[in-house]
Amino acid sequence: AQRVTQPEKLLSVFKGAPVELKCNYSYSGSPELFWYVQYSRQRLQLLLRHISRESIKGFTADLNKGETSFHLKKPFAQEEDSAMYYCALSGGGADGLTFGKGTHLIIQP
Amino acid sequence: ETGVTQSPTHLIKTRGQQVTLRCSSQSGHNTVSWYQQALGQGPQFIFQYYREEENGRGNFPPRFSGLQFPNYSSELNVNALELDDSALYLCASSFPRGGGGYTFGSGTRLTVV
Repeated sequence: AQRVTQPEKLLSVFKGAPVELKCNYSYSGSPELFWYVQYSRQRLQLLLRHISRESIKGFTADLNKGETSFHLKKPFAQEEDSAMYYCALSGGGADGLTFGKGTHLIIQP
Repeated sequence: ETGVTQSPTHLIKTRGQQVTLRCSSQSGHNTVSWYQQALGQGPQFIFQYYREEENGRGNFPPRFSGLQFPNYSSELNVNALELDDSALYLCASSFPRGGGGYTFGSGTRLTVV
C-alpha cells in the first residue's frame, strides 16, 4: 500500500533561518511526488512537483529514491511562508493523490 | 480560466440523512476526484471520475457514490450519514492520470449531528 509520512506536525523557525519539511513515502513503483500548501483561509494549492524540478517561492524539493524521501527546503524563511504543507504521492493511475498528515509551518519574526 | 468551484460551502445534516455535494471542474480539465479531510488530517482519496465513469476508488464504503456529467462537473452523494462523516470534502480536477497536477476547490464543510 502506498503511504506518505510527514513526521513533524508542527515546525517553528525564525525568519531568515533555513527550513526543511520532511516527507518520506512508501510505493512499489515510480511515483510522482508533490508538495501542496494551504495558507490561512485559502484553498489547497500546488507548490511543487518533482518532475518539474523548479523552485517556487524559494522552495525546492529533490526526490531521493534511495531514501524514499521528498523533503521541502528553503534557505531563508519568510513570514509569509507560514502555512500548512502537505506532501502527496500519485502512482499515475486513477488512484488520485495519497497525502501525508501535513506539517504546520510557523515563521516567527 | 475558471478554477474549481464547490457548493455549498457549509452544510449541517442529521445522522441517517443523505447529502449531495457539487463540484465544477477547472476549464479544460476532464477528470474529477473527491477527497475527505477530517480535522487535523491530510485529505483522503474517495474516488475519481473520468468520462462520466468512476475509474478509481479509495477505501470508502458504497454509501459514498458519485456522478460526473458531460460538462465534467461532478457530484458526491453520501447516504445514511454517520457522525464520522463530518469533515471537509474537497474536489479536485485534472487532466487524465493527474497530468499537470490537481487543482483543488475550497471544499464543503459537512457537519453531521
